Amino acid sequence: ELKVEQNPLFLSMQEGKNYTIYCNYSTTSDRLYWYRQDPGKSLESLFVLLSNGAVKQEGRLMASLDTKARLSTLHITAAVHDLSATYFCAVDLDSNYQLIWGAGTKLIIKP
Amino acid sequence: DAGITQSPRHKVTETGTPVTLRCHQTENHRYMYWYRQDPGHGLRLIHYSYGVKDTDKGEVSDGYSVSRSKTEDFLLTLESATSSQTSVYFCRGPAYGYTFGSGTRLTVV
Repeated sequence: ELKVEQNPLFLSMQEGKNYTIYCNYSTTSDRLYWYRQDPGKSLESLFVLLSNGAVKQEGRLMASLDTKARLSTLHITAAVHDLSATYFCAVDLDSNYQLIWGAGTKLIIKP
Repeated sequence: DAGITQSPRHKVTETGTPVTLRCHQTENHRYMYWYRQDPGHGLRLIHYSYGVKDTDKGEVSDGYSVSRSKTEDFLLTLESATSSQTSVYFCRGPAYGYTFGSGTRLTVV
């Protein structure tokens, strides 16, 4: 059974600090996705990582994928309050485009 | 992304009544998915479709049925709503970025 584990599940941090969210998965997959969800809103796609060693960056967020370690990271640089949200990773099951989801990391960034 | 719209956005219904949620897409997606999102459980797949009249169950399909009579519409039906089906329901397409609909907040009282 494919499992996707995120940690931490909750993170409170100060503006200006750096931090990393981890996403581990239990079986082989070459495709991993990161999403953001604001309270009461839908999910917004952030990154799609399609191969080992893939790195994507958008503003203060950078995502990477290590398929050998079955690990993806979402790194936040010099956090700002607007990045407060819940972040999900999801792994492609490689059949019917199904995704298996992590539980989400609720990130609160305090001014 | 206006390509996937869900209706209604909010609904309150009584226990035991049937409820149908609609997912409408304009992107000609072959694959479509229904999820429910609950605190502490993340996103769980209810049913998905891989074409007109082609559907399959997800991990939490009990008490739900789906229909897809045309590409644009993927309907989720709660046959006899229960309080445990109070949730937020999302529809998703398979496009790059895996676009989600805006969600339906369903309350069963």
